[in-house]
Amino acid sequence: EDQVTQSPEALRLQEGESSSLNCSYTVSGLRGLFWYRQDPGKGPEFLFTLYSAGEEKEKERLKATLTKKESFLHITAPKPEDSATYLCAVQALRNFGNEKLTFGTGTRLTIIP
Amino acid sequence: SQTIHQWPATLVQPVGSPLSLECTVEGTSNPNLYWYRQAAGRGLQLLFYSVGIGQISSEVPQNLSASRPQDRQFILSSKKLLLSDSGFYLCAWSVLRGGRVDTQYFGPGTRLTVL
Repeated sequence: EDQVTQSPEALRLQEGESSSLNCSYTVSGLRGLFWYRQDPGKGPEFLFTLYSAGEEKEKERLKATLTKKESFLHITAPKPEDSATYLCAVQALRNFGNEKLTFGTGTRLTIIP
Repeated sequence: SQTIHQWPATLVQPVGSPLSLECTVEGTSNPNLYWYRQAAGRGLQLLFYSVGIGQISSEVPQNLSASRPQDRQFILSSKKLLLSDSGFYLCAWSVLRGGRVDTQYFGPGTRLTVL
């Protein structure tokens, strides 16, 4: 069974204090790893898709990286508006066609001004 | 551009009452459609997915059902709600392109409280 574990569960940072969120996964053949941002009471907003180990993607203050066992979401010099829950999800090769995703429980990030 | 709508945004229902949540997608054809439930402290749980009109696959045995009467419409239903059906319900869509994974995009969600 596919599993996704995110750590830490919650993270409080001062504005400008860089850090990383971790997503460890177990899947029998990775088709893709996804990062989403979710604000309270709203649906998840897509950030990145990573397909293979060594791949990196960036968007503003966020950078996602992927290895064969985990992914990191690095946040550089965060601002209060980066406060949200960040979700990680994986899709297995065997789920081609239905694109089933397995999600972690998320990391709740709070940036203090 | 593509847009996904869900309604209602919030719903409070008594135990034993019926349920109908609706999701519609604009700006794309033949999408894959998904219903997820998000409970406090738990990850998103896939409930149903559909690859076409009338084609529904269930991931978790439960008190709910889904239907896809039109290409871009996905409905989540229940005949009798249970307390455990409370949660945040999310609809998502994706399009398969050339055999490669495509992203799932989520709607705004429906907050369901069963009392």
